[in-house]
Amino acid sequence: KQEVTQIPAALSVPEGENLVLNCSFTDSAIYNLQWFRQDPGKGLTSLLLIQSSQREQTSGRLNASLDKSSGRSTLYIAASQPGDSATYLCAVGLNNAGNMLTFGGGTRLMVKP
Amino acid sequence: DTAVSQTPKYLVTQMGNDKSIKCEQNLGHDTMYWYKQDSKKFLKIMFSYNNKELIINETVPNRFSPKSPDKAHLNLHINSLELGDSAVYFCASSHSAGGNEKLFFGSGTQLSVL
Repeated sequence: KQEVTQIPAALSVPEGENLVLNCSFTDSAIYNLQWFRQDPGKGLTSLLLIQSSQREQTSGRLNASLDKSSGRSTLYIAASQPGDSATYLCAVGLNNAGNMLTFGGGTRLMVKP
Repeated sequence: DTAVSQTPKYLVTQMGNDKSIKCEQNLGHDTMYWYKQDSKKFLKIMFSYNNKELIINETVPNRFSPKSPDKAHLNLHINSLELGDSAVYFCASSHSAGGNEKLFFGSGTQLSVL
C-alpha cells in the first residue's frame, strides 16, 4: 500500500528566503507526482506535475524534483513571499488509468513579511 | 467563472439524515472525482467517473451513492449520515481518465454531522 509522507508538517520563514518542502513515498512504482497548493477554505490548485520519466518541472519560482528510486520529491520555492503562505500537498499517481492519487498530509507554510 | 463549483459550501445536519452535495464543472472535462479530507487533513479518493461511468470506487460504504447525470455533473448523495462522515468533501475534474492529467478542484463542502 502506497504511503506518502511530507516533512515538515509546518514551516515558518521570513520573506525572501529560499525553502524546500519534502515528500517521500513508499512504493517507487508511481505513474506521476503532483504538487498542489491549498488555501484555507478553498480547494486545491495544481502547481506542478512530474511524469515518472521526468526528473523535474519548473514554474516561475517553483521547482519540483523527482527521484523515483529513492522515493523522494522536493518542492523548491525561491524568494518566498507572504502570498506563498498556504498548505502544500504532494500526491502520487499510481497508474495510468483513473488518475488515482494518494496524498501526503501536507506542509503548512507561513511566510512572514 | 468558477471552473469546478460545488454546493453547498457548508452542511450541518443530524445523524441519520440523508443529504446531497452537488458538483458541476464547466471545463469540458470527461472525468470527475469525489475526494474526502478528514480531520487530519488527509485527502482520499472516493469515486471517479469518466463520461458518466463509474471507474473508481475506493471501498466507500454503500450509504454513499454518486450520480452523474451528464459528464459535467457529479453529485454525491449520502444516506443515514453518521458522525464519522464529518469531513470536507472535494469534487474535482480532469480532461480525461488517462494518467498525467492535472486535476482541478472545487472549493469543498464542509459536512458536520451532529
